[in-house]
Amino acid sequence: DTEVTQTPKHLVMGMTNKKSLKCEQHMGHRAMYWYKQKAKKPPELMFVYSYEKLSINESVPSRFSPECPNSSLLNLHLHALQPEDSALYLCASSTPGTGVTEAFFGQGTRLTVV
Amino acid sequence: AQSVTQLDSQVPVFEEAPVELRCNYSSSVSVYLFWYVQYPNQGLQLLLKYLSGSTLVKGINGFEAEFNKSQTSFHLRKPSVHISDTAEYFCAVSPGDYGQNFVFGPGTRLSVLP
Repeated sequence: DTEVTQTPKHLVMGMTNKKSLKCEQHMGHRAMYWYKQKAKKPPELMFVYSYEKLSINESVPSRFSPECPNSSLLNLHLHALQPEDSALYLCASSTPGTGVTEAFFGQGTRLTVV
Repeated sequence: AQSVTQLDSQVPVFEEAPVELRCNYSSSVSVYLFWYVQYPNQGLQLLLKYLSGSTLVKGINGFEAEFNKSQTSFHLRKPSVHISDTAEYFCAVSPGDYGQNFVFGPGTRLSVLP
């Protein structure tokens, strides 16, 4: 199984809503990532978890709250988002340690904030 | 820190013609290099990677890339493209033995024309 599964595929939420994005992998990877991708732009790193601990936070606003409850799951909790947060949110996983030798990406969650 | 430049934002090419997508990087440390492809409304799929060893790397779907350390380049090539190769292509680097980050270039839109 070389898949990273993201749910939901599409999400529309209001600016006062609370929602969560979910990501799951069963490849035994111990590094997991959240990326944000705007239209016609490359993915931008948001967070990195290594061995279930947050190792990189790229100065992301607090309305985005990541969580890694176990080695297979990664969540992104969303609260009080702005319309400019509308984007494709990508989850990825890789083996941890020194250097990323390959990252597997999920299909993404298309988020629209209204 | 690492950065990636993809000089061509769009590359139109006729079917069965060869293509080269250019990638240059900047880094103060040794890096690992990657090419990913993204089809519309999809996640990213790894085409090929360079970690060490032979500078000519072969990937999936008939693509190959050559690492040139002196020119800090990692150009992607395919001798004969198909309509199905139409997609966005991202070059990416990770900082080798020095971290868990993963930085993408701005992307090149390859359009294969009939």
